[in-house]
Amino acid sequence: DARVTQTPRHKVTEMGQEVTMRCQPILGHNTVFWYRQTMMQGLELLAYFRNRAPLDDSGMPKDRFSAEMPDATLATLKIQPSEPRDSAVYFCASGSGTPHEQYFGPGTRLTVT
Amino acid sequence: RKEVEQDPGPFNVPEGATVAFNCTYSNSASQSFFWYRQDCRKEPKLLMSVYSSGNEDGRFTAQLNRASQYISLLIRDSKLSDSATYLCVVNMRNDYKLSFGAGTTVTVRA
Repeated sequence: DARVTQTPRHKVTEMGQEVTMRCQPILGHNTVFWYRQTMMQGLELLAYFRNRAPLDDSGMPKDRFSAEMPDATLATLKIQPSEPRDSAVYFCASGSGTPHEQYFGPGTRLTVT
Repeated sequence: RKEVEQDPGPFNVPEGATVAFNCTYSNSASQSFFWYRQDCRKEPKLLMSVYSSGNEDGRFTAQLNRASQYISLLIRDSKLSDSATYLCVVNMRNDYKLSFGAGTTVTVRA
């Protein structure tokens, strides 16, 4: 049963620290998405890649967030420096070409104190 | 105005009841529509697509009204396992970007 995996599942850090979240998309999927979910804003698209190339990162605060795909099996989302308002659940999702068929990972629950 | 708006609920219904709820979208040029389901503290999962002619998947029926810019989801003979948050999802430009509503919470009680 192929699944998207994300690490870490939980992260508590202090304001100002760097946070790196990792995602392994489903093998063979060529589209990868990063979302953030909070109670106030719901699910927001931060960035997405197709064939490892960034297609859109307009939802991401550019000054502190960065997203990369070093290879087809790894996507990363970094926050530097982190702030309390970054506290949220960060989901990675992958897909194979049909826009709506996105398979979500279990999420990284980030708390910044 | 948000791109996709939903009644947050919660809808509390007894087992076996029918529950229905809508969502509205702002962009009349939106291309495709879906319902995702999210269980508490879990990831969203695709429940079903919504087609112009309406479609069913077991106990679930989805409808699209382009003129009024809303989609609906109806759950018949609800089960305890249907308790979840249902996310209305719209694909605005037929690219890979999905716009998610904030979700409608349904609680089915025994």
